[in-house]
Amino acid sequence: KAGVTQTPRYLIKTRGQQVTLSCSPISGHRSVSWYQQTPGQGLQFLFEYFSETQRNKGNFPGRFSGRQFSNSRSEMNVSTLELGDSALYLCASSLDRPAQEQYFGPGTRLTVT
Amino acid sequence: AQRVTQPEKLLSVFKGAPVELKCNYSYSGSPELFWYVQYSRQRLQLLLRHISRESIKGFTADLNKGETSFHLKKPFAQEEDSAMYYCALSPPGNTPLVFGKGTRLSVIA
Repeated sequence: KAGVTQTPRYLIKTRGQQVTLSCSPISGHRSVSWYQQTPGQGLQFLFEYFSETQRNKGNFPGRFSGRQFSNSRSEMNVSTLELGDSALYLCASSLDRPAQEQYFGPGTRLTVT
Repeated sequence: AQRVTQPEKLLSVFKGAPVELKCNYSYSGSPELFWYVQYSRQRLQLLLRHISRESIKGFTADLNKGETSFHLKKPFAQEEDSAMYYCALSPPGNTPLVFGKGTRLSVIA
């Protein structure tokens, strides 16, 4: 089985811009979770999608949003980028529950200047 | 509220020495617990889960409900064990995994 893929792998953006990240889960996996990973805060949960619906949401501002398509692929969007948004954004997929064994993608490294 | 605490941000040990990465959790029910590992330039991956009670790469972890702990142990550390380790708790239902902040293990030759 192909693993979780994320595109792009690296991004450099300027403050105030917006960005869209993409995640393709493992075939058959319907739950997709997004995390922000930073050296200081570790892994912070952003949101989880299942069957094209946001089922769980973490404590992030409304600038962070996402969606899931009928083929389970997911995108997350960050609007009005701030310097503090610089991080590694990880996507993880699981069969149907977000707390089952999760399979992680390689991440998208976002740098905001 | 469910919470996972990994008290050490960084743990340095010498090659061949025993390793114990601490994980304490706060949860009222019977939890399902995991250890995830992230090696340098690799993706985060599952190392082991408590329900399988198996040893992976020489690592074991025992759930201690009395002390609400799930410490990760290995009797003899290897250089290739150097990585970031995350403890995670799986609540019931459709709520997400709760991760600790992680411990970076550095094994010194």
